[in-house]
Formats: sequence, C-alpha cells, structure tokens
Amino acid sequence: NAGVTQTPKFRVLKTGQSMTLLCAQDMNHEYMYWYRQDPGMGLRLIHYSVGEGTTAKGEVPDGYNVSRLKKQNFLLGLESAAPSQTSVYFCATRQGLGEQYFGPGTRLTVT
Amino acid sequence: AQSVTQLGSHVSVSEGALVLLRCNYSSSVPPYLFWYVQYPNQGLQLLLKYTTGATLVKGINGFEAEFKKSETSFHLTKPSAHMSDAAEYFCAVTNSNSNSGYALNFGKGTSLLVTP
Repeated sequence: NAGVTQTPKFRVLKTGQSMTLLCAQDMNHEYMYWYRQDPGMGLRLIHYSVGEGTTAKGEVPDGYNVSRLKKQNFLLGLESAAPSQTSVYFCATRQGLGEQYFGPGTRLTVT
Repeated sequence: AQSVTQLGSHVSVSEGALVLLRCNYSSSVPPYLFWYVQYPNQGLQLLLKYTTGATLVKGINGFEAEFKKSETSFHLTKPSAHMSDAAEYFCAVTNSNSNSGYALNFGKGTSLLVTP
C-alpha cells in the first residue's frame, strides 16, 4: 500500500504559468483534502471533496481549482500562478470521522 | 466554527526533561482533537487523537494528551524528551457538526527544540 502520494514533489513556476498537482490514494477513502502550509500559519484548507464527483471550497480557495473525477484521485490546479501561491501543498484523506492521512507534500515556488 | 490556539511558537527543552506543548480549543459542540508531528521536509504524522471516551489518550513515541473540557485544553506531554523529538507539532480540531467535510482546523504549530 502506497497510502497517499503526491506528484510532483517539487516545482518552480513563473508568474502566470499554470500547473496541476496530483494526489492519489489507495485506501478507498471517501474524503480528500488539499491544504497549504506557510511558515507561522499552520495548515489551511484550500478545497475538499466528500466523494467522487464532488468538490467544495475551503478557507483559502481563490486562485485554485480542483477535480475529483475518480475516487482515488484529487487534482489541484493553479490557472495563473502568483508569487503568493509559493507554499508547501499537502493532500490528505479521511474515512468517516477517523484521522486524516497526509501525503509527503509538494513544494511549489512561484517566481 | 471550531479553532485551536497553540501557546508558544517555539519551545526548548533539555534532553530528558518534561515536554509540555499547549493547545486550547474553541468548539460549540464536543470536539475531536488531534496532535500531529512533522519532521523536517516530511508530511504530517498522527501522534494521538481524542474523539470520545477516556480523556487521557496515549500516542506513539511516548506522548500523551489529556482532554480537559472545563479548561478547553488538550495539552501534549512526554515525560522525558529525546533528541529525536525535535520537530514541529500541530494541534487540530474538528467535530461531528463540521460543514467542511470534517476538515481539520490546525493551530499555527509549535517548534520543539531539544538540547543536549
């Protein structure tokens, strides 16, 4: 079992470029989340999904879009990257009220 | 809405000393509380959790936390610090009335430094 994996691990973008971060899970969990981590800010929820085909906005959704076409995958898109989106992005999954399982993170730098 | 406050962004202890990391929560309904640890350049790993039942919960690596409703606290402790405990620690909360898919609300984190 790979658990939760994230692709890519690192990425450098120029302002205005677009990219997609992929989160994949093999635990058959219904819930999936995207967080961003910034120094001194903890983790903040960007978007989440409670099941295949559903998505919803979290605390800081502006500038991001998501899709959950398959239960095991949750994609996070940046349409036009900005320096303020430089961050470490974590995907997590959850089943019911249980604990969340986190991926290893994607470190994104926007110049 | 629920939230957590972690008191102290940096805590330094000597090896072998007591570790105490403070977390206070705010929730209008019974909370579910979690402590996660993050080692440098890694993801988050669950240390322990409180949902219902016994208020003293034991986790991995010798850590434990006590849910105190009267004090709205969920402080993390370890009797004797190890050099390997140096990491970032996050307290998080959710509850059964969550309107965000039971997403966790995280504190800002406490960086634990262990000195020889």
